[in-house]
Amino acid sequence: AQKVTQAQTEISVVEKEDVTLDCVYETRDTTYYLFWYKQPPSGELVFLIRRNSFDEQNEISGRYSWNFQKSTSSFNFTITASQVVDSAVYFCALSGGNTGFQKLVFGTGTRLLVSP
Amino acid sequence: EAGVVQSPRYKIIEKKQPVAFWCNPISGHNTLYWYRQNLGQGPELLIRYENEEAVDDSQLPKDRFSAERLKGVDSTLKIQPAELGDSAVYLCASSLGSTATEAFFGQGTRLTVV
Repeated sequence: AQKVTQAQTEISVVEKEDVTLDCVYETRDTTYYLFWYKQPPSGELVFLIRRNSFDEQNEISGRYSWNFQKSTSSFNFTITASQVVDSAVYFCALSGGNTGFQKLVFGTGTRLLVSP
Repeated sequence: EAGVVQSPRYKIIEKKQPVAFWCNPISGHNTLYWYRQNLGQGPELLIRYENEEAVDDSQLPKDRFSAERLKGVDSTLKIQPAELGDSAVYLCASSLGSTATEAFFGQGTRLTVV
């Protein structure tokens, strides 16, 4: 079975602080993809990043960075110098090879509140 | 390029009434997904279409839920009759290929059953 755990329900920070959102996953697949999505108040899920299980390189995109560690089954997301516009619910998701990558299994999300 | 379009954005109905949601996927996307997102939870897949065919409806409560994707483009998800527990956000997504790794999501329809 596949499972994604986001233990942090809600995080509150003040603008310009750095914040890390945790994601731990479970899968028996040897090939899988991990994702992060942002869900602003408008409701749609905005794709942020996709990584496959063979690529453990950390990635940085502007103020966003991702730390993928297969040894701990974690795919954490860090926002540097947070801004009010970063306030949203963030979801980590998994898609496994045994299902043909045909569906996304989501965590329960972490609500990030960035105050001015 | 237009994204995934869903309507209505919000719907409030009384229990036992029927309700329908509409989704227009990104042009050319063969695969269409309906997800349900309960309050405080992540989305969960209800049904997946490849063109006109429903290839995975294992999570769709078939006693009251139905879906169709005529001509392999637009899709409608229906609930009849609605129950209080159906209150949720219903998200539609589409992808060019048959994998979910390139899925794009719409803004969702927020359903409130009273």
